Amino acid sequence: QVQLVQSGAEVTKPGSSVKVSCKASGGNINTYGFSWVRQAPGQGLEWMGGITPILGTATYAQRFQGRVTITADESTSTAYMELNSLTSDDTAVYYCARDEGTDRGFDYWGQGTLVTVSS
Amino acid sequence: DIQMTQSPSSLSASVGDRVTITCRASQSISTYLHWYQHKPGKAPKLLIYGASSLQSGVPSRFSGSGSGTDFTLTISSLQPEDFAIYYCQQSYRTPRTFGQGTKVEIK
Repeated sequence: QVQLVQSGAEVTKPGSSVKVSCKASGGNINTYGFSWVRQAPGQGLEWMGGITPILGTATYAQRFQGRVTITADESTSTAYMELNSLTSDDTAVYYCARDEGTDRGFDYWGQGTLVTVSS
Repeated sequence: DIQMTQSPSSLSASVGDRVTITCRASQSISTYLHWYQHKPGKAPKLLIYGASSLQSGVPSRFSGSGSGTDFTLTISSLQPEDFAIYYCQQSYRTPRTFGQGTKVEIK
């Protein structure tokens, strides 16, 4: 059984950065990828980007390009999402999800990490 | 980017009702379409993948259909635990866009 456990809530200031982790247990992360999805208050789900660890390549949504970095450490089965130049609009719950490919959807999700950006 | 448009944005229904939610893509996405259920304070849950395949463990009252640009999620007999927000998502191209969501409320 795959489990994704994310790091805890963060409170941070405008202009700073945040790095959220997602540790996978069960299954071999070499065989699948991770995506990051966020939900701002009162808004819907928004895909930010994803990575396939075995390929080492990440893809990003255009609106986050240059501000987000998604990485994965196979040795610890952990994926990371770092978002820079934070504004209050980045206040949201951030989720990681297992991505087994374009035909399978995101079948396992982390519990979510609330990031609050406030001065 | 591929735009995903769901309708309705919200609906009120009673336990036992048949509920249908539609999702339209701005271009053909074959069957690279997935449906999720999202409840407050919880992670989204995959219900249907590949437009019509039921995810393991999901009750059979949920079903999906469609291909190309038009898709449907059907709940055959609404149960109390089904009141939630439902999202479609395409994986044909990145970015993997979601629909805006459909809120299913108790009538």
